[in-house]
Amino acid sequence: RKEVEQDPGPFNVPEGATVAFNCTYSNSASQSFFWYRQDCRKEPKLLMSVYSSGNEDGRFTAQLNRASQYISLLIRDSKLSDSATYLCVVNRVGGYNKLIFGAGTRLAVHP
Amino acid sequence: SAVISQKPSRDICQRGTSLTIQCQVDSQVTMMFWYRQQPGQSLTLIATANQGSEATYESGFVIDKFPISRPNLTFSTLTVSNMSPEDSSIYLCSVDSSGRAVTDTQYFGPGTRLTVL
Repeated sequence: RKEVEQDPGPFNVPEGATVAFNCTYSNSASQSFFWYRQDCRKEPKLLMSVYSSGNEDGRFTAQLNRASQYISLLIRDSKLSDSATYLCVVNRVGGYNKLIFGAGTRLAVHP
Repeated sequence: SAVISQKPSRDICQRGTSLTIQCQVDSQVTMMFWYRQQPGQSLTLIATANQGSEATYESGFVIDKFPISRPNLTFSTLTVSNMSPEDSSIYLCSVDSSGRAVTDTQYFGPGTRLTVL
C-alpha cells in the first residue's frame, strides 16, 4: 500500500464548479499535511497547509480527519487557472524534514 | 520564501556519461533535498543534503549512483552517474529553512529535465 494515496483523476469540470479531492495516508503518527499544486512542466508549489481544525484560503478549503487518516481539498467557483495537478503531501514520521508525496490528482477546468 | 535556481534547466545525455546538477539558494538554509520525478509520476526523495556531512540517501538510492555535495549553506550538487535511459527524469532540489525537526514546508527549484539516449 502506498504511504499517500490519491485519486489520479482527471477531474474535468466547468468553470464555476465546486470540486473536491481526497487523500488518505497510512501512517497514523504523521504530523504535518500539505496540498501542493504542480502546473504542467513546472515545479510543485505549496498551496496550503492542512490543520486539524480545517483551514480556508479564499476559494480553497482543506480538511484533516486524523481518525480516518483522510485529507481533503475543496475548490469552490473553479477558474480556468485552477487547472493543474494537486499533490497531497504528508511528513514521514521519524524522518527529519522528509515529505511523502501522493501521485497527484489532475484537474482540468473548461469554459 | 527562498528563491532557488538550478543548472542546467535541461540536458540530453548519452548513456554511460554523468551529469552534475547545481542548486543555488538565495539565503542560507538548513536542509536541502534532491527529488526525482519520472514521467507521469509524483516526486520521490533521493537524498537529504547536509552541510558538513555526508548526504542521507533513501531506500533504493546509493551514493555511487547519485553522489551529492553540500559545500555550504546555499549550494548543493547532485551527480547522476553512469546514466541509462531509465534515469530520464526531472530532478528537483528543494529547501526547508525552518530548521525544525518536523518540516514546516519545502520550496522547490525549477527542476532539471534530463533525457538519456
